Amino acid sequence: DVKVTQSSRYLVKRTGEKVFLECVQDMDHENMFWYRQDPGLGLRLIYFSYDVKMKEKGDIPEGYSVSREKKERFSLILESASTNQTSMYLCASSPGGTEASPLHFGNGTRLTVT
Amino acid sequence: GQNIDQPTEMTATEGAIVQINCTYQTSGFNGLFWYQQHAGEAPTFLSYNVLDGLEEKGRFSSFLSRSKGYSYLLLKELQMKDSASYLCAVFDSNYQLIWGAGTKLIIKP
Repeated sequence: DVKVTQSSRYLVKRTGEKVFLECVQDMDHENMFWYRQDPGLGLRLIYFSYDVKMKEKGDIPEGYSVSREKKERFSLILESASTNQTSMYLCASSPGGTEASPLHFGNGTRLTVT
Repeated sequence: GQNIDQPTEMTATEGAIVQINCTYQTSGFNGLFWYQQHAGEAPTFLSYNVLDGLEEKGRFSSFLSRSKGYSYLLLKELQMKDSASYLCAVFDSNYQLIWGAGTKLIIKP
């Protein structure tokens, strides 16, 4: 089974802090994604990556950046956390290619910015 | 714009059958997914439809009509553990996933 591991389940940070959310997958997947999930809004794509050192903006990239130095690791960075970034953050991965493949999700990081 | 609609919440009784609908308007179509998400947990993959018709997988079935932009997830013999949110997602023509807001299903004894 694919395992996607997010480094923290819960995080509490202060406004203005730099925040790192780490995600590691163990199935050699090319594609990795960062979503945020808020009640009533569904999953919203922040950034995604189809290969090492490659990144693409999703629907809501403002205030975020990402890093993919190794194939198995995809990091989400909040340069200066704000209260409107309080949310559940979900990392996901999938195999490469154009064939539709289901995403495999990590357990999520619930971030609170105070 | 691209849009996926699902009911916000549904209630059903243990042992019964429930149908969760999903309608979509997207730029192209390359398949539709259903995911289950228990509270505080990650979404897990349930089913994938790319051709019209019904896909059955145990107590769960998923139906697709591409001409109507419509899918449903059918859950039979409901159990308390089926209480969860059910997410509908569509791959558009660029293989970007468009997500619905999810349907919270409450099962009562």
